[in-house]
Amino acid sequence: QSVLTQPPSVSGAPGLRVTISCTGNNSNIGAGYDVHWYQQFPGKAPKLLIYGTTNRPSGVPDRFSGSKSGTSASLAITGLQAEDEADYYCQSHDGSLSEVFGGGTKLTVL
Amino acid sequence: QVHLQESGPGLVKPSDTLSLTCAVSGGSVSSPTYYWSWIRQPPGKGLEYIGSVFYTGSTYYNPSLKSRVTISIDTSKNQFSLQLTSVTAADTAVYFCARRDGSSSFFFYWGLGALVAVSS
Repeated sequence: QSVLTQPPSVSGAPGLRVTISCTGNNSNIGAGYDVHWYQQFPGKAPKLLIYGTTNRPSGVPDRFSGSKSGTSASLAITGLQAEDEADYYCQSHDGSLSEVFGGGTKLTVL
Repeated sequence: QVHLQESGPGLVKPSDTLSLTCAVSGGSVSSPTYYWSWIRQPPGKGLEYIGSVFYTGSTYYNPSLKSRVTISIDTSKNQFSLQLTSVTAADTAVYFCARRDGSSSFFFYWGLGALVAVSS
């Protein structure tokens, strides 16, 4: 079981908006630690999508955004495109367990 | 542009020690800004943090693996290494090396990954 909880799957039609949740506790997200998000295609290494909860690295479209509230964080993707179909992982620091990842969410573009 | 490249045996026998090395180019493992890390992903499953090493040699491990893991750094060769002892089939995974930001803990640069199977 992952320390951070994500839905196993989400789906949406092209052009629409989807959100992926990441639920932690008071040892990680709730303790104020940053949340980071990664996008991973099959057979590839993860790619940093959002860092520091809300920041996008250069080259990441502004269709991707991150937020946090309490012990949870969310990744929002607007204007969904077929190329967004991938696995998404959240990550944070845990005061007792060092770095922790969510179990991953498979995004399907209908 | 920083590049990381994992290398090591793709097959390890149960109870043996898994050893991987990550060669870094385009950046220095002696930088005081970053931590050099290992993350693994069992087939069809999610990411699991293994641990990190700082240029001073200080290490930080996932408590669930701490008793079996050693991460070391060789600044002269600009590389760092992973050793995982007493492996079982549950340790079969793609092992990624990555650079972790020192202040905010995100992993920006990743290696391509190395599949290590544990089997007799």
